[in-house]
Amino acid sequence: AQSVAQPEDQVNVAEGNPLTVKCTYSVSGNPYLFWYVQYPNRGLQFLLKYITGDNLVKGSYGFEAEFNKSQTSFHLKKPSALVSDSALYFCAVRDPDNYGQNFVFGPGTRLSVLP
Amino acid sequence: DAMVIQNPRYQVTQFGKPVTLSCSQTLNHNVMYWYQQKSSQAPKLLFHYYDKDFNNEADTPDNFQSRRPNTSFCFLDIRSPGLGDAAMYLCATSRDGRWLGRANGYTFGSGTRLTVV
Repeated sequence: AQSVAQPEDQVNVAEGNPLTVKCTYSVSGNPYLFWYVQYPNRGLQFLLKYITGDNLVKGSYGFEAEFNKSQTSFHLKKPSALVSDSALYFCAVRDPDNYGQNFVFGPGTRLSVLP
Repeated sequence: DAMVIQNPRYQVTQFGKPVTLSCSQTLNHNVMYWYQQKSSQAPKLLFHYYDKDFNNEADTPDNFQSRRPNTSFCFLDIRSPGLGDAAMYLCATSRDGRWLGRANGYTFGSGTRLTVV
């Protein structure tokens, strides 16, 4: 069965500093990996995804993520954090070979960017 | 812009009084999902429609039901809301299929926050 772990409930970073939100996954084959962001009282917004190809994926709002197959990780990064990046971040995985399986979301990481 | 729209944004209902949440989409996606999200936790899938086929999650209470009268609309019915059903309810869509592939992400609506009094 596929699963996603986000080992940190909360990440605090100063504005202007680089940020990393961690995600590790477990899936039987090659995964499809996604990052979503959720602002207060809003739905989830798509940030980026890895399907195949280049391990470094660039997404919305200056975010990027690196797929590392050997470490089964897909950490979200941004070179310089903004206060407006403060939100709840979800990593999600899909198994492309398991036709009946939908998204599996991680538990979420709350990012606080301090001015 | 093509999008997923949920109405209302905030819904207050009385304990035990049936309530319906609605979701519409202009994306022409074939799959529609309903999620329940509590207290900044991960969204929990309640059920989804793959085209017209209804797929219920094993642990979704019978109190929750859904209707999809056409491609564009999907409804979540809570027959007898309890205090524990207070949550954010998220609708999502995707374009899936054996030939379409599974590489597409989900598009979420803004959610409906349900309060039970």
